[in-house]
Amino acid sequence: QKEVEQNSGPLSVPEGAIASLNCTYSDRGSQSFFWYRQYSGKSPELIMFIYSNGDKEDGRFTAQLNKASQYVSLLIRDSQPSDSATYLCAVTFGLNNNAGNMLTFGGGTRLMVKP
Amino acid sequence: DADVTQTPRNRITKTGKRIMLECSQTKGHDRMYWYRQDPGLGLRLIYYSFDVKDINKGEISDGYSVSRQAQAKFSLSLESAIPNQTALYFCATSDFLRTDTQYFGPGTRLTVL
Repeated sequence: QKEVEQNSGPLSVPEGAIASLNCTYSDRGSQSFFWYRQYSGKSPELIMFIYSNGDKEDGRFTAQLNKASQYVSLLIRDSQPSDSATYLCAVTFGLNNNAGNMLTFGGGTRLMVKP
Repeated sequence: DADVTQTPRNRITKTGKRIMLECSQTKGHDRMYWYRQDPGLGLRLIYYSFDVKDINKGEISDGYSVSRQAQAKFSLSLESAIPNQTALYFCATSDFLRTDTQYFGPGTRLTVL
């Protein structure tokens, strides 16, 4: 059973702080890693993806991947109240573009940014 | 207009009733998916389709069926609804080259009494 684990939270941070969201996965063969943001009652939206070990930055967001530790994280710098949402980690357990490649989602971490 | 639409957006039904959830997309994607979301459980894949003639079961297909009427339309049916099928249902699409980059519809909140 391929698993993706996240702390459900809530993770509470003050406005302007760095929020750190973590995700672990069970399969060493995992290839692709995604972070989706989901506002309450809304659909998930893709905010970051990462394929290689190391860091990937996009604006205030940084995804960090450590395949040896089977760990992926999302850092949100200068957190804003509008960042308050549930963040879903998703992992594919196969090669990119493979017809059998499916996303497996974690349960999500609820982030609360307090003004 | 939204690229991925779902109807209805909310539905309350009774145990034993048949219900259909519909999904349409204008993104021109070949691949479509149905997920359900329960609190704390993330998204779980029910069925997926890579083209009109290709239908595949996902992690939790029991109690559900699907129909791919056209490239742009993918419907999910609950033949005899039961209360533990109460959940938020999402349709998603992806193109042929990037199965892992999925675009979600707005969701259908289904309550089975």
